[in-house]
Amino acid sequence: TQLLEQSPQFLSIQEGENLTVYCNSSSVFSSLQWYRQEPGEGPVLLVTVVTGGEVKKLKRLTFQFGDARKDSSLHITAAQPGDTGLYLCADTWSNTGKLIFGQGTTLQVKP
Amino acid sequence: NAGVMQNPRHLVRRRGQEARLRCSPMKGHSHVYWYRQLPEEGLKFMVYLQKENIIDESGMPKERFSAEFPKEGPSILRIQQVVRGDSAAYFCASSPPAGGFNGYTFGSGTRLTVV
Repeated sequence: TQLLEQSPQFLSIQEGENLTVYCNSSSVFSSLQWYRQEPGEGPVLLVTVVTGGEVKKLKRLTFQFGDARKDSSLHITAAQPGDTGLYLCADTWSNTGKLIFGQGTTLQVKP
Repeated sequence: NAGVMQNPRHLVRRRGQEARLRCSPMKGHSHVYWYRQLPEEGLKFMVYLQKENIIDESGMPKERFSAEFPKEGPSILRIQQVVRGDSAAYFCASSPPAGGFNGYTFGSGTRLTVV
């Protein structure tokens, strides 16, 4: 059974700081997705990465996929209070499209 | 263009009662997935359905839980004889016929509280 481990579990920072969160898998990812979930809402897809070594940028967010496709990082530059939420990584495991999620990183950005 | 609609948003049930959670997928989406989330945890897959078919129910508890996606109407997740441990947020996601690799659209969830 594949296990996804995210670190850190909790992160509380001041507005304007930079941060990086990590996602590690016990086995090679099929493809990796990052989601953000705000309190009381469902997860919203941020990005999908497929190729080892791939880097994608979404405004102040930079996503990296490890060469061996077993790890990924999400870097946020100049964090804002609107970035607050639960960040989840997920593997699109199996041909059915079922997602395996990590336990998430809870980010709090204080004004 | 409505997203994935789940209702109710909040549901309170006494132990032993039945809970029915509804999910209407996005227009044009024929695949529905149900996930459960405990506080401060990631989502756990429960079941994957297409119209009138259960494709993968490997995450469903063997007893008391069932799901359907009829030809007409929303998908239903049914929990019989609820217990306190069933308290969680239940999320539905839908995807187009190509499957979930292009990313699901999640609903806002139903928060079930068993008292």
